[in-house]
Amino acid sequence: KAGVTQTPRYLIKTRGQQVTLSCSPISGHRSVSWYQQTPGQGLQFLFEYFSETQRNKGNFPGRFSGRQFSNSRSEMNVSTLELGDSALYLCASSLFDTQYFGPGTRLTVL
Amino acid sequence: ILNVEQSPQSLHVQEGDSTNFTCSFPSSNFYALHWYRWETAKSPEALFVMTLNGDEKKKGRISATLNTKEGYSYLYIKGSQPEDSATYLCAFSAGAGNMLTFGGGTRLMVKP
Repeated sequence: KAGVTQTPRYLIKTRGQQVTLSCSPISGHRSVSWYQQTPGQGLQFLFEYFSETQRNKGNFPGRFSGRQFSNSRSEMNVSTLELGDSALYLCASSLFDTQYFGPGTRLTVL
Repeated sequence: ILNVEQSPQSLHVQEGDSTNFTCSFPSSNFYALHWYRWETAKSPEALFVMTLNGDEKKKGRISATLNTKEGYSYLYIKGSQPEDSATYLCAFSAGAGNMLTFGGGTRLMVKP
């Protein structure tokens, strides 16, 4: 089975812009979760989608949003980018308890 | 705010040494404890998902134990090899669903 894929792998944006990241889960997995990894804060949970509905949400501002499509693919959007949004964004898909992570999207905000 | 702590932050060992790390987590509202291995430039790889107090899991030279009453888990690596060099993360979940709270990780470096 193909693993979790994320596009793009690298992205450079400037402050104030918005960005959309994409995640394709493992076939058959209906849950997709998003995490942000920064050197200072470690891995932090953003949100989880299951069957096109947001099931859990972490403690991030409303500039961070996401959605899930009927084929379980998910996108996350960050509006009005700030320098502090520079991070590695990981998505993970799961069927039961184990989460399988993608390679991440490295976002740099200048 | 859930607090998941890992110690030590980093560890340097010689090839062949056995080592262990600690993960402490809230003992209330426990659902599952996850261990991941994260090698540089790769995706985090799931090692274990543990749900029952007293659970012990093993995968090759790596094993883990779980104590939900006191809120800790140990990860053991027997006979460390250079390819074991990675960051080992634990993550706690307080309910069904996939909201994981991660610890800061233990970075292991194994010298040949």
